[in-house]
Amino acid sequence: DTAVSQTPKYLVTQMGNDKSIKCEQNLGHDTMYWYKQDSKKFLKIMFSYNNKELIINETVPNRFSPKSPDKAHLNLHINSLELGDSAVYFCASSQSRVGNQPQHFGDGTRLSIL
Amino acid sequence: QKEVEQNSGPLSVPEGAIASLNCTYSDRGSQSFFWYRQYSGKSPELIMSIYSNGDKEDGRFTAQLNKASQYVSLLIRDSQPSDSATYLCAGRAGAGSYQLTFGKGTKLSVIP
Repeated sequence: DTAVSQTPKYLVTQMGNDKSIKCEQNLGHDTMYWYKQDSKKFLKIMFSYNNKELIINETVPNRFSPKSPDKAHLNLHINSLELGDSAVYFCASSQSRVGNQPQHFGDGTRLSIL
Repeated sequence: QKEVEQNSGPLSVPEGAIASLNCTYSDRGSQSFFWYRQYSGKSPELIMSIYSNGDKEDGRFTAQLNKASQYVSLLIRDSQPSDSATYLCAGRAGAGSYQLTFGKGTKLSVIP
């Protein structure tokens, strides 16, 4: 059973389009995250939700909007896609938001903007 | 700004040797540290966590933490070609911190 699953795995689309990425975790964790990994492999936090509450909102263009319908799901919607949005987006979860809790990552969504 | 620094490598070691990966961090309040392994095209996979000063061993892996000097290291004994990957160091500050800060990763190549 996949612990953290993301869909789609690949997303190829044109500049200006709107797209969504979905994430689900079956670990019973309270906290979920979105990361962006650029071409230089730098992994940077974008958002985090704890039990449906937004707790981390890094400096990210407001074209990116996360939504957490419940603590097992965290989706990412991106409006008006730009070339610079091309990256791998990873969803992750941890048991709680503080302390010694490691994060478990999904397989990533490879977004390519044409 | 809280930073985690790693030598980007690539670090090449012969098969069977010890690979030593190092990481320094700027936030003295950091309490928890994690080493992730990321194969090309795959997601980061947790391999070690360390919270106290000293060494922590798990199989061929040993994590070392020195909070006074603000560095974390990962030793891989008897390196195998299958250990070739990028290793990401990540640190989390103490109670109340929600954020994990990642280094840029060190690419390790184990030469058969």
